[in-house]
Amino acid sequence: KAGVTQTPRYLIKTRGQQVTLSCSPISGHRSVSWYQQTPGQGLQFLFEYFSETQRNKGNFPGRFSGRQFSNSRSEMNVSTLELGDSALYLCASSLRGRENTEAFFGQGTRLTVV
Amino acid sequence: ILNVEQSPQSLHVQEGDSTNFTCSFPSSNFYALHWYRWETAKSPEALFVMTLNGDEKKKGRISATLNTKEGYSYLYIKGSQPEDSATYLCAFWNNYGQNFVFGPGTRLSVLP
Repeated sequence: KAGVTQTPRYLIKTRGQQVTLSCSPISGHRSVSWYQQTPGQGLQFLFEYFSETQRNKGNFPGRFSGRQFSNSRSEMNVSTLELGDSALYLCASSLRGRENTEAFFGQGTRLTVV
Repeated sequence: ILNVEQSPQSLHVQEGDSTNFTCSFPSSNFYALHWYRWETAKSPEALFVMTLNGDEKKKGRISATLNTKEGYSYLYIKGSQPEDSATYLCAFWNNYGQNFVFGPGTRLSVLP
């Protein structure tokens, strides 16, 4: 069974630009969550999508947005990039995105903002 | 703000040693705690999903216990091997925000 796929793996952008990251979940999984990891910080929850609807959102500015398509693939967009947005962005898919369901992570997209 | 803590921050052990580390979380409103292993250049991989007080789970040489009343979970590795070198993360289910809150992780290095 194919795992969670994130593209691209690495990205370099300039301040002020926007970026779109993609996540293809495991087949049959309807929940996709996005996390940010910066040096010295644990994984910070960005948002979760379930059946094309944003179900939950973390404490991030409105520059961070996302969406989910009917095939459960999800995209995350960051507009007006800032240097502090440089981070590893991970997505995780699960069947239902609930507390007792195991999450499967992708390898992440490493974003560098210069 | 929910706080999930892990200790120690990092750990170096010799091959063959047994080791353990701790995840501390709010003891009220408990729903679930997950443990993940994250090897460098790979994806975090789920180890255990723990939901009941007193839960003990085991996978090979790795086991975990859960005490929801006092708000901690222990992860044990018996006879550490170099391939156990990784960052071990715990994640607490925040039922208010309906999301997982991750601890900062314990970085384990097993020296041959």
